This record gives sequence, C-alpha cells and structure tokens, in this order.
Amino acid sequence: AQSVTQPDIHITVSEGASLELRCNYSYGATPYLFWYVQSPGQGLQLLLKYFSGDTLVQGIKGFEAEFKRSQSSFNLRKPSVHWSDAAEYFCAVGNQAGTALIFGKGTTLSVSS
Amino acid sequence: DAMVIQNPRYQVTQFGKPVTLSCSQTLNHNVMYWYQQKSSQAPKLLFHYYDKDFNNEADTPDNFQSRRPNTSFCFLDIRSPGLGDAAMYLCATSRGPDSNQPQHFGDGTRLSIL
Repeated sequence: AQSVTQPDIHITVSEGASLELRCNYSYGATPYLFWYVQSPGQGLQLLLKYFSGDTLVQGIKGFEAEFKRSQSSFNLRKPSVHWSDAAEYFCAVGNQAGTALIFGKGTTLSVSS
Repeated sequence: DAMVIQNPRYQVTQFGKPVTLSCSQTLNHNVMYWYQQKSSQAPKLLFHYYDKDFNNEADTPDNFQSRRPNTSFCFLDIRSPGLGDAAMYLCATSRGPDSNQPQHFGDGTRLSIL
C-alpha cells in the first residue's frame, strides 16, 4: 500500500537560514508527488509537484524539491527562510491508478528571529 | 480570482443535530472533494464527486453524506454529529479525477460539537 512518511514532526529554523523538510514515500511505480503548505486556520496551498522529467522542481515562494528514486524521497528545500514561512507542510503522493492523494502527517515549521 | 469558498468558516452544532457545510468554486473544475482534518493530523479524504458521479471512500462513516446540485456547489451533510466528528473540513477541487491533477483547497470549515 502507498504511504508517505514525514519523519520530522516539528522543525525550528532561524530566519535567513536554509531549510530542508524530509519526505519518504512507498509506492511501486513512479508516483505523483506534491508538497502543500497550510497556514493556521487556512486550507492547503500547492507549493510544487513532480510527475516526471527533471528531478529538481521549482515551486512558489522560493521552494524547490528534489525527487530521488533510489532513496524514495522528495525533500523540500528553501535556501533562506522568512518568518512568513512558518506553517504546516504536507507531502502527498498520488498513484497513477486512482484519484486519492495520500498525505503525510505533516511537519510544523517554526521560524525564530 | 477563481477560488474555492467554504461557508461558514466556523460552525457549532449540538451532539446529534444535523449540520450542513457548503463549498462553492469558480474554477469550473469537474471534481470536488471533501476531506476531514483532525487536530495535528493529515487531511483524510471522505468522498469526491467527478461531475455527478459520487465516489465514497471505503472507510467513510455512513453518517457523512454529500450532495452536488451543480458544477459550482457541493455540500457535506453530517446526519448525527458525534463528538468525534469535531474537525476541520476541507473542500478541494481539481480539473480531472486523476491524482496528477493538482487540488485547490478552500480555507476550511472548523466544526465544533457541543
């Protein structure tokens, strides 16, 4: 069965520091991979997605993610974090046969000044 | 701007009293989804509509129903809310039913049960 693991429940980084949020997936074929961000009290906003091709994908708000098949990972990165990036981040995987997205449990990002 | 709008943002109901949450979209997307998100958890898909076709997830309780009277609107009905149904309910849309279609989310309705 498909699954998504986000190993870090909570991460705190200093403003201006770099960020990497980890995501590992379990799926037999090449999955569709997504990162969403959720600010407090709001819905989810799509940051970026990977379907095929270039394994380094660029998203909105200066985020990027790299697909590594050998590690079954799709980690999210940002070179310099801003205080407004504090939010909950969800990694999700979709399969080629169905509709549903499987979400990880999320990583809460706090930004310190 | 095209968007997904959920009303109300906050809903309080009594234990066992039916409640309806609404979602509208201006994206003209074919698919509309309802997710349940409990505190500090991932969103969990309840069901979705692909045009008029209703697709229920296997583990969605019978207490949860949905209606889609037209392309723009979709409703979530909870027939007899229990305390365990207190959660954020998220509506999302996508252009097509395949999971490579990005989903666009509303800001959610937070449901409290007294």
